[in-house]
Amino acid sequence: AQSVTQLGSHVSVSEGALVLLRCNYSSSVPPYLFWYVQYPNQGLQLLLKYTTGATLVKGINGFEAEFKKSETSFHLTKPSAHMSDAAEYFCAVSSITGANSKLTFGKGITLSVRP
Amino acid sequence: DSGVTQTPKHLITATGQRVTLRCSPRSGDLSVYWYQQSLDQGLQFLIQYYNGEERAKGNILERFSAQQFPDLHSELNLSSLELGDSALYFCASRPAGNSGNTIYFGEGSWLTVV
Repeated sequence: AQSVTQLGSHVSVSEGALVLLRCNYSSSVPPYLFWYVQYPNQGLQLLLKYTTGATLVKGINGFEAEFKKSETSFHLTKPSAHMSDAAEYFCAVSSITGANSKLTFGKGITLSVRP
Repeated sequence: DSGVTQTPKHLITATGQRVTLRCSPRSGDLSVYWYQQSLDQGLQFLIQYYNGEERAKGNILERFSAQQFPDLHSELNLSSLELGDSALYFCASRPAGNSGNTIYFGEGSWLTVV
């Protein structure tokens, strides 16, 4: 079985500050890991993903995440927050490849950015 | 725009009623997924179809059913609706081949049961 834990439901940062959203996963096989973002009244948009290879993954809008197998973590960071980053962020894991694959999501973290 | 189209965008219906949510996947995508998003349960996987066949089942109630048609569009049928079924229902599709399991979401169908 696979699962995702996102610590905390709400993170608030000042504009220009570092963004750090935590994600820990559980998987019995090497995982594929994802971060999705959901802006108000919109669907989920892929920010970035880790499959194999380089453990530091860069995504859209200046976000990046590092896969740390020893810590079973895939934390999302951005050096400098912008007001437009305010949204809900979901970490997801998939540990089955091919036609039967599915993503299991964490509960999500709401990011607020203060001016 | 992800390329996944869902209709209707908003739906208000009464308890006990039945509704059908429709999804058109991205062109060429064979896999379709349905997820339910609610405040208390978060994003829950409901069911997955691949080229017309059911491939995986998650936390889908017996009152709910889905199918994928030969043209690859999918429908999620929700019956005997209860207040607790009010949620945002997402459809997603996945490209065939080596895509790293990325799935692309539609904008969702908001269901309100009153």
